[in-house]
Amino acid sequence: AQTVTQSQPEMSVQEAETVTLSCTYDTSENNYYLFWYKQPPSRQMILVIRQEAYKQQNATENRFSVNFQKAAKSFSLKISDSQLGDTAMYFCAFMIFNNAGNMLTFGGGTRLMVKP
Amino acid sequence: DTAVSQTPKYLVTQMGNDKSIKCEQNLGHDTMYWYKQDSKKFLKIMFSYNNKELIINETVPNRFSPKSPDKAHLNLHINSLELGDSAVYFCASSPTGYQPQHFGDGTRLSIL
Repeated sequence: AQTVTQSQPEMSVQEAETVTLSCTYDTSENNYYLFWYKQPPSRQMILVIRQEAYKQQNATENRFSVNFQKAAKSFSLKISDSQLGDTAMYFCAFMIFNNAGNMLTFGGGTRLMVKP
Repeated sequence: DTAVSQTPKYLVTQMGNDKSIKCEQNLGHDTMYWYKQDSKKFLKIMFSYNNKELIINETVPNRFSPKSPDKAHLNLHINSLELGDSAVYFCASSPTGYQPQHFGDGTRLSIL
């Protein structure tokens, strides 16, 4: 079974600064994907960024980037130039695909507050 | 156009009642899912359907019965509602394979 751990229940950052959210996971699989989802107060689940485990290059989407360390099973999210709209719960998620289907396992989430 | 839509957005009902949540996706995806998010925000998969066939059933009480009339719809029926069923239920869909899942806006179910 896969497990995903987010060790920071809450974090805060000043507007325009940089913040890093941690995520570790445990799996015996070799092929998998990792995702960060954002859940603002509106409750929507919004995909922020994804990383394929077979790719060594870290994924980047505008102000969002990841630091993927496969050997350490670590997948942190860096948000640069934080904006007030980044205030949300952030969930790290792990996905495998096998005969049982395509299943996401989520971490417990990190609540991020961006302060003006 | 809403890609994954759930109805209703809010559902308040009494213990012991039976209720349904509907989900529809217009993305042409083959796979649909139900997730439960509890009061501590923890998200856990409940069911997964691929082309109307049940693929994943994660030890959910049999009071919960998903139904997929076609691959664009996955409804969730809950019998004999209990206080512990209070949660936000998310529907999601994805193409087959290593593809991100697209989520609906969630249904907040409150049991009185």
